Amino acid sequence: QKEVEQDPGPLSVPEGAIVSLNCTYSNSAFQYFMWYRQYSRKGPELLMYTYSSGNKEDGRFTAQVDKSSKYISLFIRDSQPSDSATYLCAMSEGGSEKLVFGKGMKLTVNP
Amino acid sequence: DVKVTQSSRYLVKRTGEKVFLECVQDMDHENMFWYRQDPGLGLRLIYFSYDVKMKEKGDIPEGYSVSREKKERFSLILESASTNQTSMYLCASSDSTNTGELFFGEGSRLTVL
Repeated sequence: QKEVEQDPGPLSVPEGAIVSLNCTYSNSAFQYFMWYRQYSRKGPELLMYTYSSGNKEDGRFTAQVDKSSKYISLFIRDSQPSDSATYLCAMSEGGSEKLVFGKGMKLTVNP
Repeated sequence: DVKVTQSSRYLVKRTGEKVFLECVQDMDHENMFWYRQDPGLGLRLIYFSYDVKMKEKGDIPEGYSVSREKKERFSLILESASTNQTSMYLCASSDSTNTGELFFGEGSRLTVL
């Protein structure tokens, strides 16, 4: 079993839809959870960051972490064509441990 | 804002050529990383460095080497390029806080013919 599993999609939704992106993981020592967004032909950029369990909201984006289920989610409300990108989950134990990435989910929001 | 700059966005090389990919960061970060990104395989770590002149192998170091002579600069070297090294190469940096957050460059798309 890989450390981090992410459905690669692709996912295509109409503008205005609610989007749910998910990752599961096996390492219970992970404490830091991130979502990166990567536009075509660009490098990934940090979108959301969460420490330990709970929810975090930033505008139309909500990140959820459920450590008991080893499951993290990113919700996008009122999705826009500008949200079309690949979304990568990433997590780490902290300290000197490196980030572990999911493979990324390609999202297309159609006008 | 943190800026990670990769000198070449697009390169085309021939099999057997030596290839240098350069990366510079301007935020005095201790840690620097080289990844490659391929469809269906995601990001794979090639090498990383926690300090000047230090390097550590990542998950797929074969066929690559690195150099870190200055804190802000981290170079990836392909001694003899092969077609299976055609890929998107991403440089990243981070500081030594606990989060592990990475800041990425825009990527270098390498094609080996």
